[in-house]
Amino acid sequence: DAGVIQSPRHEVTEMGQEVTLRCKPISGHNSLFWYRQTMMRGLELLIYFNNNVPIDDSGMPEDRFSAKMPNASFSTLKIQPSEPRDSAVYFCASSSGQGPRDTEAFFGQGTRLTVV
Amino acid sequence: ILNVEQSPQSLHVQEGDSTNFTCSFPSSNFYALHWYRWETAKSPEALFVMTLNGDEKKKGRISATLNTKEGYSYLYIKGSQPEDSATYLCASPSLNAGNMLTFGGGTRLMVKP
Repeated sequence: DAGVIQSPRHEVTEMGQEVTLRCKPISGHNSLFWYRQTMMRGLELLIYFNNNVPIDDSGMPEDRFSAKMPNASFSTLKIQPSEPRDSAVYFCASSSGQGPRDTEAFFGQGTRLTVV
Repeated sequence: ILNVEQSPQSLHVQEGDSTNFTCSFPSSNFYALHWYRWETAKSPEALFVMTLNGDEKKKGRISATLNTKEGYSYLYIKGSQPEDSATYLCASPSLNAGNMLTFGGGTRLMVKP
């Protein structure tokens, strides 16, 4: 398996524009996480899906952020409208979650978002 | 979301020094404890997944211990090398939230040659 695949790797956009980040989890994994890396908060959990269902989205900063997982092999994180303070590296991770030893998270390479 | 805490936030050591840092987590409803290594400009990668009280894991010069009854884990690095410089994260899945994984704030280790 190629691992968790995120796209794009880098995104530069103007304030007010819509941004969509994409993630393909490892095949067979049923848990998917979106994290944001910031200087202040380290690795911040935005939303967690289990079997394509959002379980916890309490970390989503505000209504400008939304995430979907239409099927087991694809998830999106959308920011509309984007603001400069959204600039960060966004990571997607997946795990198989079948038992305590299978909860290890495998991370994608991240998307570096810059909003100017 | 679980309360997972790490200390110290950052650590500067000389090459050859041994060092350790701490992760604390809720001891009730414990499921597993993870340690990850996160190098600058890369993604976090798992070092250890620990599930049993008293577990000890080792990978080269890095080892970890687990105490689920008191809710802490230690990560040890013996004879630190500059290539050990990274942020070390611990994380714990929540059994009550479908294995949702919560990370601590990390310990940033810098090893000076």
